[in-house]
Amino acid sequence: EAGVAQSPRYKIIEKRQSVAFWCNPISGHATLYWYQQILGQGPKLLIQFQNNGVVDDSQLPKDRFSAERLKGVDSTLKIQPAKLEDSAVYLCASSLSQRGTEAFFGQGTRLTVV
Amino acid sequence: DQQVKQNSPSLSVQEGRISILNCDYTNSMFDYFLWYKKYPAEGPTFLISISSIKDKNEDGRFTVFLNKSAEHLSLHIVPSQPGDSAVYFCAASDGSNYQLIWGAGTKLIIKP
Repeated sequence: EAGVAQSPRYKIIEKRQSVAFWCNPISGHATLYWYQQILGQGPKLLIQFQNNGVVDDSQLPKDRFSAERLKGVDSTLKIQPAKLEDSAVYLCASSLSQRGTEAFFGQGTRLTVV
Repeated sequence: DQQVKQNSPSLSVQEGRISILNCDYTNSMFDYFLWYKKYPAEGPTFLISISSIKDKNEDGRFTVFLNKSAEHLSLHIVPSQPGDSAVYFCAASDGSNYQLIWGAGTKLIIKP
């Protein structure tokens, strides 16, 4: 069974530039999550999709972050414009249930904003 | 406001001995707890979970204990093996909000 695929693995951009991350969840998983993990901290949920609808985006900085999952399968997360404090690992995860338990994670995208 | 705390950033244990990782929480509404394991440059992988109706759950070498009155849970690994060296995250959720709240993680080092 293929796991959660994310790209790119690493990205370095200058502040005020824009960046996009892509995620393809495990086939059949209706729930998809984007997490931000800052060095030394646990993952923080940015947005949760159930199929192509948003379940929770309460911690997504909507003035600069956006995410979509148009066909209920793969998803993109965009940051525009980026700030230095956005430097983190962005993790995508998927699960069968909406509960969020036992989610499967991708390898993540390490973003460095300089 | 950290609702899930892992107060030990790192822990070093001799191979073959027991590893005990601790996690404290401050939200009495949490009813489901999970442990994830993370290797460098990889995403977290699910390890074991426990519902608040239980106080213990075992899976092979891994056992999670839940003390609801103390709002504390622990993960026991017996015996510890070199492949157990990783960062361990505790996470919790409540029935009204499916969001997982994560601790900061504990880096476990198994010494040969």
